[in-house]
Order: sequence, then C-alpha cells, then structure tokens
Amino acid sequence: EAQVTQNPRYLITVTGKKLTVTCSQNMNHEYMSWYRQDPGLGLRQIYYSMNVEVTDKGDVPEGYKVSRKEKRNFPLILESPSPNQTSLYFCASSLQNLATEAFFGQGTRLTVV
Amino acid sequence: QQQVKQSPQSLIVQKGGIPIINCAYENTAFDYFPWYQQFPGKGPALLIAIRPDVSEKKEGRFTISFNKSAKQFSLHIMDSQPGDSATYFCAASIRRDDKIIFGKGTRLHILP
Repeated sequence: EAQVTQNPRYLITVTGKKLTVTCSQNMNHEYMSWYRQDPGLGLRQIYYSMNVEVTDKGDVPEGYKVSRKEKRNFPLILESPSPNQTSLYFCASSLQNLATEAFFGQGTRLTVV
Repeated sequence: QQQVKQSPQSLIVQKGGIPIINCAYENTAFDYFPWYQQFPGKGPALLIAIRPDVSEKKEGRFTISFNKSAKQFSLHIMDSQPGDSATYFCAASIRRDDKIIFGKGTRLHILP
C-alpha cells in the first residue's frame, strides 16, 4: 500500500529537549515536505526536499532542521523545542514538485511544555 | 502576493444543499490550483485540481469553478452528504517552482 508514515503520532516533551519526528514514504517520490497546521493559520510549509541531499526552506523554517540522506526518509528535527512549536505536523511526498498530487502522512501532534 | 485567501472559515449546510467555498489569489504566476480534503485525525488528501486554462472541472459531486480575470476559484459540492463533513483547503502553486501556498481552510459540517 502506497503511504507516508510518520512517527510518533503523539509526543509531549519539555522545552529544550531535542526531538526527531520521522517520515518515510514507499512510493519512490523525489519530493518531500513538512508542514505545520495551526488553528486559523491553515497549513504552512516548514522545509522541503527536491531529492536526496537537496533541501530548502519553506515559509516557517525557524527552529527546525531537516535532512534527506535517503530518498524514502525525511526526518524533522527540533534541536531545542519551544512552546510555540506546539502544533500538528504533517509530512508529505509527491512524485515531482508540488504541481503534482501530494500524499500526506497521518500527522504528529506535538506538545512542548 | 503569495497569499491565498479562503472563505468562509466555517460553513454549516443541510444535507442535499450546495456548499460553496471561495478562494482568491494575487500572484498571476500561479498555474496549478488543487483542493485538499481533510477528515478529523487524518492528513489532507487531494480532492480535485484545476489549471487556469479551463474555467470548470467536475469530478463526481465536486466542481471547481475558475475565474482567471477575477483571480478567484471556488469549490462546489453538489447534493452534499454528512460524509462530506471535513476541512477543505484550497491551494496554489507554480509548476516550475517548488512551493505551494495553502488557504487557511474551511471547516464544513453537513447536517443530516
């Protein structure tokens, strides 16, 4: 089954404790991206990757890091999480760029206290 | 320039009615306009998309109307059902580019 898998689904952490949210896709897609969803603000792109070792900032990249060492994986790293990073996070992949259908993961609800 | 303005923020419609969600953009370079549907606890999923060389596209009960001169596009749901209750996002992107801009979403509730 074609899918984008995120882990964990839920995470509560404390301010400053480094964390990683994993994302993996099994569709051999070149393009992957991370979004955060907040009430009243919709979906905002954090980072995206056009291929292995190629990444770029989206609209809200501050406080986040990403890496793309393998085509299927695109982890999101929060080096020092803060409460304003409490949000619902989605990973997505698409065959080429965002002018093609994006497949989203189930989401990771992160709470930073 | 890079915004996509979506309205209304929330919408309640009786079963069988025709909810309409509107989006407006400024950047005339946008050339791909998808709509995504998101059910509670799930990630968004592509519902229907249109390119600016057509004025309307239908897929089942879902129709996108596109007005290039007004820089507006809208989603209509014919014969709406309670199962259509979800959050709907419009979006815009440029095919040669690698970014997409989403609207803020519309929470739609269809009453039984």
